[in-house]
Amino acid sequence: AQSVTQLGSHVSVSEGALVLLRCNYSSSVPPYLFWYVQYPNQGLQLLLKYTTGATLVKGINGFEAEFKKSETSFHLTKPSAHMSDAAEYFCAVTPPWAGGFKTIFGAGTRLFVKA
Amino acid sequence: GAGVSQSPRYKVTKRGQDVALRCDPISGHVSLYWYRQALGQGPEFLTYFNYEAQQDKSGLPNDRFSAERPEGSISTLTIQRTEQRDSAMYRCASSPGLAGEGYNEQFFGPGTRLTVL
Repeated sequence: AQSVTQLGSHVSVSEGALVLLRCNYSSSVPPYLFWYVQYPNQGLQLLLKYTTGATLVKGINGFEAEFKKSETSFHLTKPSAHMSDAAEYFCAVTPPWAGGFKTIFGAGTRLFVKA
Repeated sequence: GAGVSQSPRYKVTKRGQDVALRCDPISGHVSLYWYRQALGQGPEFLTYFNYEAQQDKSGLPNDRFSAERPEGSISTLTIQRTEQRDSAMYRCASSPGLAGEGYNEQFFGPGTRLTVL
């Protein structure tokens, strides 16, 4: 069975500092990988996704993530945090085989940005 | 353009009552998903539709939960004889591609916060 682990339910960084949100998955084959962001009172919004090809993927708002098969990881980074990045971030996976519809979400990491 | 909408945004009900939660997906999106999200957790899959066909309902907690999408657009999640443990955020998402194409982005609605007293 697939699972997603996000290390750290809360992460706090200073404005301008590096953002690193960790995600590890458990799957017999590499799944499709997603990062979603959730702002208060809004739905989840896709930041970026990995399906095939280049393992370093760039998303919106300056975020990027790198798929590392050997480490079964898909960590999210941003070089310089902005106050507007404060939100909850969810890592998610779906299986790559036909009929892969069931998306599994991690528990989420809440990012705090200090001025 | 209009995103996914859900109504009501908040629902407070008494234990034992039935509730119906509505999801209006983005126009033209063929697949629709229902999730339940407990506080401090990520969304948990409940069920999904391709067009009007419910493809999988293995995530529904029990037979008090049902969902329909009769015309392949708006969907309703119904919970009968609500219990306090049903209290959660219920989220709907839609996607332009078929569920089964796991690489497709899902577009989420703002959710319905259900509180069962």
